[in-house]
Amino acid sequence: QSALTQTASVSGSPGQSITISCTGTSSDVGGYNYVSWYQQHPGKAPKLLIYNVSYRPSGVPDRFSGSKSGNTASLTISGLQAEDESDYYCSAYTGSSTKFFGGGTKLSVL
Amino acid sequence: QVQLQESGPGLVKPSQTLSLTCTVSGFSISSGSHHWSWVRQPAGKGLEWIGRIFTSGITNYNPSLKSRATISIDTSNNQFSLELSSVIAADTAVYYCIFSEGDYWGQGTLVTVSS
Repeated sequence: QSALTQTASVSGSPGQSITISCTGTSSDVGGYNYVSWYQQHPGKAPKLLIYNVSYRPSGVPDRFSGSKSGNTASLTISGLQAEDESDYYCSAYTGSSTKFFGGGTKLSVL
Repeated sequence: QVQLQESGPGLVKPSQTLSLTCTVSGFSISSGSHHWSWVRQPAGKGLEWIGRIFTSGITNYNPSLKSRATISIDTSNNQFSLELSSVIAADTAVYYCIFSEGDYWGQGTLVTVSS
């Protein structure tokens, strides 16, 4: 089982919207609604942004949204802010209850 | 407020066993049907899921660790632990303990495998 596939980097300007994709297979992303997204600033522990494809934990701004189509999950950040510059990771469970992370996407806010 | 704190040796010799403990405060580890996980991150690299344990004691592990990992739970001390046997240099990483899907994370602890 290999890691989920994420674009290495993405960029956007303040106020814009960007989407980060996470591609898996029918055995993980496509097969179950257990996709999560995390934000990690340098030197810090990751923070949960989205769980179960599209649910936000309390305190996460609604600028962050998640969705899924087939074997690809997506994280959309609208109204981009400078503080959103960070690394983003997706994760998904397989049918055997093992979890895998994507390789990570570095978001630059220009 | 739930808080998690990793503890354990920061340096482990190759072929030995890495042992870490996560102490949970602000929440009873035996409450509900939650799970408690370990994730690691080598310097400059991405996240790797190690495994998880439910309050029932059921465990799931990353198959890539080839059965080297063991996660256990100690409800009397509100802790859960990770043991990783036969460590090699590639096991050098920051190790995080996590509540559920990541609602709460420990600050992470760097473990270096070196002689």
